Amino acid sequence: QKEVEQDPGPLSVPEGAIVSLNCTYSNSAFQYFMWYRQYSRKGPELLMYTYSSGNKEDGRFTAQVDKSSKYISLFIRDSQPSDSATYLCAMAGGYQKVTFGTGTKLQVIP
Amino acid sequence: GAVVSQHPSRVICKSGTSVKIECRSLDFQATTMFWYRQFPKQSLMLMATSNEGSKATYEQGVEKDKFLINHASLTLSTLTVTSAHPEDSSFYICSAPQRDQLSYNEQFFGPGTRLTVL
Repeated sequence: QKEVEQDPGPLSVPEGAIVSLNCTYSNSAFQYFMWYRQYSRKGPELLMYTYSSGNKEDGRFTAQVDKSSKYISLFIRDSQPSDSATYLCAMAGGYQKVTFGTGTKLQVIP
Repeated sequence: GAVVSQHPSRVICKSGTSVKIECRSLDFQATTMFWYRQFPKQSLMLMATSNEGSKATYEQGVEKDKFLINHASLTLSTLTVTSAHPEDSSFYICSAPQRDQLSYNEQFFGPGTRLTVL
């Protein structure tokens, strides 16, 4: 079993839709939960960063962490074509080593 | 945010040759840098942790004699793929966290290097 599971998609939605991206994990030691966006042939860029359980909102993006269920989510409101990318969840227990999900490819259709 | 650069961005080489990839933190110092490999439609897989002034730490299954890492300064780490073979063709990405942080902090990723071995 992988430490982090993420549906690879692809996920295709119309412009303006609400997008829900999810990951599950098995390692109880994870305390830091991140979402990265990666455009084709580019390095990942950090979108959201949450410590422990709870919600965090930043503009159109909302990250949720449920440690009891070992489940994290990223919601994108009013999705735009420019949001089309691969979204990677990532987790760390501390001391900087990060474990990534496989990534979900999102396409927002105008 | 902080900037991490990689050079070259793309390299094509013949089988059996060695290729060096540089990772630089441009506006901050990094005692630790990480090297990842990403195959098509797969996640980033940590290969090794590069430590300034000491030996790199390799993940299980990564050949340290094949992937040589040198962290020569607080802003530069290099990854050399020795005797490259077509199966080494991949996207190599480095990252660097901010220095002197004991707990997790944001990692800044380089733009990646696309290696193609013919």
